[in-house]
Amino acid sequence: GENVEQHPSTLSVQEGDSAVIKCTYSDSASNYFPWYKQELGKGPQLIIDIRSNVGEKKDQRIAVTLNKTAKHFSLHITETQPEDSAVYFCAASKRENYGQNFVFGPGTRLSVLP
Amino acid sequence: KAGVTQTPRYLIKTRGQQVTLSCSPISGHRSVSWYQQTPGQGLQFLFEYFSETQRNKGNFPGRFSGRQFSNSRSEMNVSTLELGDSALYLCASSLTRQGGSPLHFGNGTRLTVT
Repeated sequence: GENVEQHPSTLSVQEGDSAVIKCTYSDSASNYFPWYKQELGKGPQLIIDIRSNVGEKKDQRIAVTLNKTAKHFSLHITETQPEDSAVYFCAASKRENYGQNFVFGPGTRLSVLP
Repeated sequence: KAGVTQTPRYLIKTRGQQVTLSCSPISGHRSVSWYQQTPGQGLQFLFEYFSETQRNKGNFPGRFSGRQFSNSRSEMNVSTLELGDSALYLCASSLTRQGGSPLHFGNGTRLTVT
């Protein structure tokens, strides 16, 4: 089955710096890759996603890149702010006969230091 | 539009008891999935319901069960609780079961088994 690895497990950056989180997946049939942000006491919130027919997607300070050949995708956060501190999860999904199948990475705890 | 609503937010139960968790999906969303989140195992898929039928099931014992009602609301039941069932239980809804339909999570129910 699909396996998603995520690195680093923890990341500390200074406010204003950039943060990059990387994920790799094993199943070449996976074609949808969302990223989630989970703040303390809340459920994961979708922040950006990318489909396999696209190489890069941006939304203000957040961008995601996808390399299908290498089977990895990355989350880039620029001009980090304290409110970006949270746990971030990547996921890989593909269409199965019974519907979608999401496999999540183990998460990255991002701390933005003021 | 209201998000995914899960009740209750917190539950404390003793070993051997049973528990029922409730989830109301985003209006118009017909697919409801349940996940167990623990520090050691991350986000683990429990099951998915669509049109009142279980469509997919994760690798959990039969003590974990669920159902979906005609209004798409879903309940999850855990019988004969064990200490290891202590976790955050997350419900997620999606618009369709087609590939590339993102999951939208609720804030979860924190279950503590003593």
